[in-house]
Parts: sequence; C-alpha cells; structure tokens
Amino acid sequence: AQSVTQLDSQVPVFEEAPVELRCNYSSSVSVYLFWYVQYPNQGLQLLLKYLSGSTLVESINGFEAEFNKSQTSFHLRKPSVHISDTAEYFCAVIFTGGGNKLTFGTGTQLKVEL
Amino acid sequence: DVKVTQSSRYLVKRTGEKVFLECVQDMDHENMFWYRQDPGLGLRLIYFSYDVKMKEKGDIPEGYSVSREKKERFSLILESASTNQTSMYLCASSPGQGPNTQYFGPGTRLTVL
Repeated sequence: AQSVTQLDSQVPVFEEAPVELRCNYSSSVSVYLFWYVQYPNQGLQLLLKYLSGSTLVESINGFEAEFNKSQTSFHLRKPSVHISDTAEYFCAVIFTGGGNKLTFGTGTQLKVEL
Repeated sequence: DVKVTQSSRYLVKRTGEKVFLECVQDMDHENMFWYRQDPGLGLRLIYFSYDVKMKEKGDIPEGYSVSREKKERFSLILESASTNQTSMYLCASSPGQGPNTQYFGPGTRLTVL
C-alpha cells in the first residue's frame, strides 16, 4: 500500500538549534516528493520539492531535504531555526500513475522557543 | 502570484442543512482539489477535477459532492451536513499534467452544530 508517514507529531526546539523533521513513504512505484508549510491561520504553501535530478533540494529560507531512495525517506532539515519557523510542516507524495494527486502525511508541528 | 480564494473563513451551520463551499482560482489552472484537514490526520482528499464538468472521487468522498461549471470555480457541497463534517476545508489548484505544485487557499473552518 502507498502511504506517507511523519512519526513526530510535535517537535519543540530552541531558537538557533538544528532541527530535522522526518518523512518516510511506502511505494512500489516512483515518487515525487514535497514539503508544505502551514503558518498559523493560513493555508499551505510549498516549501520545497524533489522531482528529479539532485537528491538534495533547498528552500529560500534555509531548509533542505534529501531524497533517499534506499531508505524511502525525504527528511527536512534546517541547521539553525528561528522563531518565525514555528508552523506545521506536511510531507506529501505524488505516486507515479496516480495522476497528480498528493498524499499527505499527518503533519509535524514545529515549535521554536526562545 | 497565484491566488486561490475561498468564500468564507468561518462558517457555522446546523445539522441537515445543505452547505456550499466555493473556491476560485485566478491562474487558469486545469486542476482543482478539495481537502479536509483534521488534527492528527493531515489532509485528506475529498474530490478533484481535471477539467470543467469533470470530477473524480478522492479518498473520502462520502457525504460530499462537487461542481465545476467554470474553469476557475470549484464548489464543494455537503448535501445534508452532519456534526462529523466539522473540519477545516482547503481548496487547491495546479496547472496542467504531471507533478506540479498545488496552490492552496486560506481554508474554511466549518462548524456543524
């Protein structure tokens, strides 16, 4: 069965500390991978995506994610977080052959504290 | 910039009422989607549409229907609202075919009493 797993529902971290938000998927077909972010009282917006090519992708605000095919993972990392990064982060996958439907993980709430 | 708008941010309805949630996008996107978002469950796809007058069921279509009479507008209909349909509803759109980015509206928080 095709699925997306975000094991951590909440991740508290202090400002300027590094953070990793985990995402794993289960699939027998090729995938396209996305991270979306939802700031409080807002809709979702794309943070970064992997479609092909380099397995390491970066966002404009310092996040990066690496596609690891052997471990079926697409973990999101940032070396130093800011208060403004407090938000909910969703990993999402398009499974090849499924049109362009996104399958979402259950989300990880990142809370950055002073 | 792509803009996806939803008719209401907050909506309160009574059990059994017929509810319409409207979504409009201004970028001539072919694809439109309706999701519901619940704590601990993430986003789940209700219905989607690849073209005008075309619709396909998502993962949780029961209790919902949709309408797409014009390319820019995608409506979600709750024929007879129930309390278990209290949720955040998110609309999204994306261009063409392939794994393109979906652009989301701000959401409608629906409460069914």
